[in-house]
Amino acid sequence: GAGVSQSPSNKVTEKGKDVELRCDPISGHTALYWYRQSLGQGLEFLIYFQGNSAPDKSGLPSDRFSAERTGGSVSTLTIQRTQQEDSAVYLCASSLVPSSGAETYEQYFGPGTRLTVT
Amino acid sequence: KQEVTQIPAALSVPEGENLVLNCSFTDSAIYNLQWFRQDPGKGLTSLLLIQSSQREQTSGRLNASLDKSSGRSTLYIAASQPGDSATYLCAVRLSSGSARQLTFGSGTQLTVLP
Repeated sequence: GAGVSQSPSNKVTEKGKDVELRCDPISGHTALYWYRQSLGQGLEFLIYFQGNSAPDKSGLPSDRFSAERTGGSVSTLTIQRTQQEDSAVYLCASSLVPSSGAETYEQYFGPGTRLTVT
Repeated sequence: KQEVTQIPAALSVPEGENLVLNCSFTDSAIYNLQWFRQDPGKGLTSLLLIQSSQREQTSGRLNASLDKSSGRSTLYIAASQPGDSATYLCAVRLSSGSARQLTFGSGTQLTVLP
């Protein structure tokens, strides 16, 4: 596909269960970001992957959150022992990493996964 | 820490009006600024991206300006239409740090009345 895709589009889970959210970035984009959009919190950065470098995890809210990116493409965000405050829309974005001044870091977003923890 | 503020939080206008959405940021050390549109229950659609060295970008009825030194950007929408109704988000990309992640404002919810 031409854009960033995410699955599932909606996920309802019980408190305490683990969930996995998937992101397929645009082909050729080496940079991948996860963001979270919560009611009353706005959009916040969670984690960043660039190529084979160690990810920037500075935005992860707790150690219950983790993410991996296999083969430099697909990424999975895992939330362990979900809590009600984890309910949010989780958005994935990808971009090129410019090698020249003519390129940009423009980010392209997927449709998101709406997570509801009951 | 970079903070991004958008004013107003909500705006309702009759169809055909020109309107301006405002965005301000506290740290002028940005790489670029992006304006996005978000429809209810949907992801983000990028509207315009302004590099830190640029003053404005235009796309159709949209014009975005950037004054980096004063930490301000505006999104001008000409001849608004009901289809423009959505939440508009501005986001700045840091010029430092490896992640270059976006820092978002809380958005302006626009309603264009037919």
